[in-house]
Amino acid sequence: QQQVKQSPQSLIVQKGGIPIINCAYENTAFDYFPWYQQFPGKGPALLIAIRPDVSEKKEGRFTISFNKSAKQFSLHIMDSQPGDSATYFCAASSRGGADGLTFGKGTHLIIQP
Amino acid sequence: DAGITQSPRHKVTETGTPVTLRCHQTENHRYMYWYRQDPGHGLRLIHYSYGVKDTDKGEVSDGYSVSRSKTEDFLLTLESATSSQTSVYFCAISSDRNTEAFFGQGTRLTVV
Repeated sequence: QQQVKQSPQSLIVQKGGIPIINCAYENTAFDYFPWYQQFPGKGPALLIAIRPDVSEKKEGRFTISFNKSAKQFSLHIMDSQPGDSATYFCAASSRGGADGLTFGKGTHLIIQP
Repeated sequence: DAGITQSPRHKVTETGTPVTLRCHQTENHRYMYWYRQDPGHGLRLIHYSYGVKDTDKGEVSDGYSVSRSKTEDFLLTLESATSSQTSVYFCAISSDRNTEAFFGQGTRLTVV
């Protein structure tokens, strides 16, 4: 049973565009939602994270939008650059549940010059 | 990389042999995790530790065991490696549950 569903699987955007990656979760106990960025041959790097008490969080060009009632959250990348080309993973965890993060399957993002 | 070192970085081993992967941290974080990453599956939790000698199973723990005798080291052992355990293995650390987790560079394991 996949608890975090991520879409799309792959995405191609022109430089300067705004790629949007979506995630939906099933477990209402989830209360921590991070996004990770991964380059080939490297480990995932924490990009930005949100908790359900806010609907939006911005860090630089990266924004998380969170919809608690719909059990969905998304990542937006403003003014995207070719250097943003990477695989992005959403994840979720809960304080009251098992330890560790439950990950989506990832989105391979390509920003074309 | 948040003071996390995984070793070895690459390993090729034969089916049926034991394999141990090591994760070493210099951050004194309480929590340590082992994940595996496979195409089409994202990252899946194998085992985790919440303190010295305190460990528990994750989503895909069958065929794996772990040990943590010191705060800084978390070992993952494949008692008898199988081809289905060919994967990239990542160690992660966090100071508390349900908070920021930082990943190592990974170990690429091939079982032939």
